[in-house]
Amino acid sequence: DAKTTQPNSMESNEEEPVHLPCNHSTISGTDYIHWYRQLPSQGPEYVIHGLTSNVNNRMASLAIAEDRKSSTLILHRATLRDAAVYYCILRGFNTGKLIFGQGTTLQVKP
Amino acid sequence: GAVVSQHPSWVICKSGTSVKIECRSLDFQATTMFWYRQFPKQSLMLMATSNEGSKATYEQGVEKDKFLINHASLTLSTLTVTSAHPEDSSFYICSARELAGGVYNEQFFGPGTRLTVL
Repeated sequence: DAKTTQPNSMESNEEEPVHLPCNHSTISGTDYIHWYRQLPSQGPEYVIHGLTSNVNNRMASLAIAEDRKSSTLILHRATLRDAAVYYCILRGFNTGKLIFGQGTTLQVKP
Repeated sequence: GAVVSQHPSWVICKSGTSVKIECRSLDFQATTMFWYRQFPKQSLMLMATSNEGSKATYEQGVEKDKFLINHASLTLSTLTVTSAHPEDSSFYICSARELAGGVYNEQFFGPGTRLTVL
């Protein structure tokens, strides 16, 4: 499974946008880009996923680079409840497995 | 979104005993379920993948005789930690994915089970 690279931690102010980057230079043509987040002592929560085009849903937006070697998760207005570990994961078309990296710990300051 | 439940949410057991954890998909049928383990301040580690009606596929380094997985129906998978020892204490999380072509083309996670072995 292709690997992703994310910053260990990021900080944001409440009600400001947050851009969480992810590098995946070894992505293959059939890998989907998934984002999950995990609050302490809880299971991961699905955020968004995409293949080539940018995606929007009620939680976030996903901007995918044209060469697909990087992507950015965008939280449009961070709230204190968005403080979590955010995982960027490539899901292989054949295996379908989600292999978690270390993720980015997002802190949101009031 | 789809809901995945786990039971129990936490369990404490004595060393040498076996513990069973249940994972259910509540509003969809899951052909594939995954089991993860997470130690404090670490990421999730995939332990095994199970498909309904067939044997689980274990990741490298995971003992299949110690972590017994049964996926007998499209809504239930169980993980049994046999002869548990303190080093098995961890947060166990299951995940389920719906049948291909179903409503939810995504993988959903349960809330996790905290296992403490004394």
